[in-house]
Amino acid sequence: QKEVEQNSGPLSVPEGAIASLNCTYSDRGSQSFFWYRQYSGKSPELIMSIYSNGDKEDGRFTAQLNKASQYVSLLIRDSQPSDSATYLCAVRPTSSGTYKYIFGTGTRLKVLA
Amino acid sequence: NAGVMQNPRHLVRRRGQEARLRCSPMKGHSHVYWYRQLPEEGLKFMVYLQKENIIDESGMPKERFSAEFPKEGPSILRIQQVVRGDSAAYFCASSPTGTSAPDTQYFGPGTRLTVL
Repeated sequence: QKEVEQNSGPLSVPEGAIASLNCTYSDRGSQSFFWYRQYSGKSPELIMSIYSNGDKEDGRFTAQLNKASQYVSLLIRDSQPSDSATYLCAVRPTSSGTYKYIFGTGTRLKVLA
Repeated sequence: NAGVMQNPRHLVRRRGQEARLRCSPMKGHSHVYWYRQLPEEGLKFMVYLQKENIIDESGMPKERFSAEFPKEGPSILRIQQVVRGDSAAYFCASSPTGTSAPDTQYFGPGTRLTVL
């Protein structure tokens, strides 16, 4: 089992729809979770961080964390073609003792105009 | 406030040569991380450094790779005797200290290494 798993996609949604991206992790004690967006050929760009169970909203983005089920998700409302990118889930496992991240392989999102 | 800086942005080396990748963290950040991303793959942690200290190098290959973050100057990732399999994008990230979110990492633009 991979430490952080994401569906590679592509996930295709029409413009204006809600895109739902999911991520599961194996280290039950993980405390810190992050979503990054990466355009092709570019570097990861931080979208959101979440530390507590529940929802965290920032503009069109909502991160959801469920530690009991070991998953974290990202919802993008009113999806735009400019949201088309790969979305990376990152987890800081407690076993590391440091601040390193474990990344999923990313989900490629395509927003169709 | 300048972001994380990396240079060079693109680096071409022949097999057997050395590659030196540089990273300057954001102002006020003293934690530096190096990640490698192979084509169509996720980012893999390599090493975590603070000034003059290697904190975690569990992701670094045991041979040919080394990293440092001196008291003055940028962090350097050094790859000796490069092989074609080293071709990848190498990203540096930094995180702040003394804040409520010390583990939030901000990424530089990356160095794309091509080994011929």
